[in-house]
Amino acid sequence: DVKVTQSSRYLVKRTGEKVFLECVQDMDHENMFWYRQDPGLGLRLIYFSYDVKMKEKGDIPEGYSVSREKKERFSLILESASTNQTSMYLCASQGSGNQPQHFGDGTRLSIL
Amino acid sequence: QQQVKQSPQSLIVQKGGIPIINCAYENTAFDYFPWYQQFPGKGPALLIAIRPDVSEKKEGRFTISFNKSAKQFSLHIMDSQPGDSATYFCAARTGKLIFGQGTTLQVKP
Repeated sequence: DVKVTQSSRYLVKRTGEKVFLECVQDMDHENMFWYRQDPGLGLRLIYFSYDVKMKEKGDIPEGYSVSREKKERFSLILESASTNQTSMYLCASQGSGNQPQHFGDGTRLSIL
Repeated sequence: QQQVKQSPQSLIVQKGGIPIINCAYENTAFDYFPWYQQFPGKGPALLIAIRPDVSEKKEGRFTISFNKSAKQFSLHIMDSQPGDSATYFCAARTGKLIFGQGTTLQVKP
């Protein structure tokens, strides 16, 4: 069974801090994704990666960056956290072809 | 044109009822339409999916109806149970997935 593990379930940070959200998958998937989930807005794609060291901007990349140094790990970085980045962050992985995306259980991030 | 519009935002039905969740899209390049189910404290999980060359797909109590000409698709849950209470997301894919806004379903005993 595919397992996508997000390092923290809850995280509280202060405005201006640099924040790292970590995601690890155990299925050797090529593709990994970061979404944020907000009530009434669904899931919105922040960044995705289709290979090690490769990254592509999603629909809302502003204020975020990502790192993929190893195939199994995809990190989301908030360079200087702001209160409007308070949200639920979801990581997903996907194998090649038309395989479905598999999601982690999310990190609820609060920026004070 | 990349949007997927989902309705209703929330839905309450009695056990045994048939909740229906609707989604509409504009981009005719979408080639795959999945539905995800999310329980509180968990990430979304794929429930059922359909391709645009098929008008209906059933998996157990869950059915997707797809109307290509109207650019709409819907999820029906037959004989709904309290355990079906969750948030449901439709999505559409052209390369990446575009998600609808989500529907919170409550099935009362």
